[in-house]
Amino acid sequence: GAVVSQHPSWVICKSGTSVKIECRSLDFQATTMFWYRQFPKQSLMLMATSNEGSKATYEQGVEKDKFLINHASLTLSTLTVTSAHPEDSSFYICSAREEASTGELFFGEGSRLTVL
Amino acid sequence: GQSLEQPSEVTAVEGAIVQINCTYQTSGFYGLSWYQQHDGGAPTFLSYNALDGLEETGRFSSFLSRSDSYGYLLLQELQMKDSASYFCAVRARSNDYKLSFGAGTTVTVRA
Repeated sequence: GAVVSQHPSWVICKSGTSVKIECRSLDFQATTMFWYRQFPKQSLMLMATSNEGSKATYEQGVEKDKFLINHASLTLSTLTVTSAHPEDSSFYICSAREEASTGELFFGEGSRLTVL
Repeated sequence: GQSLEQPSEVTAVEGAIVQINCTYQTSGFYGLSWYQQHDGGAPTFLSYNALDGLEETGRFSSFLSRSDSYGYLLLQELQMKDSASYFCAVRARSNDYKLSFGAGTTVTVRA
């Protein structure tokens, strides 16, 4: 299957700083990538849809100025958590879909963010 | 919006068969997917059903009944490594074909 790589896997930062997470599709082009957030023992909640060359589409309740998404190329999307606070600590997972697929979504390894 | 229901926990012994049911409510249903997630890891794709019937992939099978808005994931010949969370996820026209996940079922396999 297709490979999606996410970096960094773990990040610890101080409150008030910004953190950037990268998501790359390694062997296919992804015009659309998705960013999810997952709290312990809970489901994946879609935060936003990242569209190559255009603005991201955010789900209801997700602050677009807080979670900046940039999809500058067909293989890279970035999520920047700005002015991070302890409540932003979570597992952030990106995913991408091959357009020719029958619905399969490939996930990155996830990035665990801890804000002190 | 979409809503999905699946059991929160299932425990079984090695070699057993486990069925995880998933019922959903959505408009413009397109397909039902199943994902496996081990603790601390990312979800991995298991199967996808767009049409009624059974899809078999090795020890895992998935079933869909569109008329009943119901599907299930069948895990056969359970192994210890199958201990994980399993999520059903639905794609629908009403949600721009984005995946909406259920709450997940934690499967614990005992020796």
